Amino acid sequence: GAGVSQSPSNKVTEKGKDVELRCDPISGHTALYWYRQSLGQGLEFLIYFQGNSAPDKSGLPSDRFSAERTGGSVSTLTIQRTQQEDSAVYLCASTWGGGADTQYFGPGTRLTVL
Amino acid sequence: AQSVAQPEDQVNVAEGNPLTVKCTYSVSGNPYLFWYVQYPNRGLQFLLKYITGDNLVKGSYGFEAEFNKSQTSFHLKKPSALVSDSALYFCAVRVHRGYQKVTFGTGTKLQVIP
Repeated sequence: GAGVSQSPSNKVTEKGKDVELRCDPISGHTALYWYRQSLGQGLEFLIYFQGNSAPDKSGLPSDRFSAERTGGSVSTLTIQRTQQEDSAVYLCASTWGGGADTQYFGPGTRLTVL
Repeated sequence: AQSVAQPEDQVNVAEGNPLTVKCTYSVSGNPYLFWYVQYPNRGLQFLLKYITGDNLVKGSYGFEAEFNKSQTSFHLKKPSALVSDSALYFCAVRVHRGYQKVTFGTGTKLQVIP
C-alpha cells in the first residue's frame, strides 16, 4: 500500500518568504507527527496531531511556525517569514494512534532558505 | 521527562564483524523502545521495538536489540555487519502511560568498512 508522502521534496526560498510543506499520511492513520532534522542533529519534535486536533504543539520553535490537519488526513506545516536557521529536512510520520505504534516516515522535505 | 542517549556519534566496524550501536534511556515508568534506520536522502525506516516480555527483540535485516532494565539500555546488535548496513541509526523511547511524544536520540552513524 501507499506510504507517507511529502511534498515538495525540495524547497528553496528566500529569507522572509512563507512556505507550506505538505504531508499525506497512510490512509486510516489517526496520529501524525512533524519533525525537523538539521544537519548533524537528531530529530526535533515539532507537533503532534490526533485526528484534526493538535494536543501537543510544544516543539514549534516560534510563532512563525504553524500546522493544521484537515479531514483527519492531509497536514500542512507553514513557516512564515522564513529565516536561514529554518533550513533543515522536515519529516512527517503517521501511526494508528497507539502508544507502541511504529511510526511510518515520509521521505522528507529539504528546505533551504537563502 | 524522558530522554535518550546515543553516546557514539559514529561507529566503524569491519564487514563480517559483529556490530553494536549503544542506546540508554530515561523515563518515569515502563518504556516502549524503538530503533529506526535512515539511509542517505531517505526517511526513517522502522527496525524493531520493545513493548514488553522477552528482553531480546529481533527485527529487520538481521538486527536485534536487548532490553536491559537495570542498565536502562537498549543496544542494537548484529552478528555480522554488511557494507549495506552503513546508515544513520536512531534510538527512540516513549513511556507506556498516557500521551507522551516519542523522544529520539541524536543518531549514530554506522560505517561498515569492506
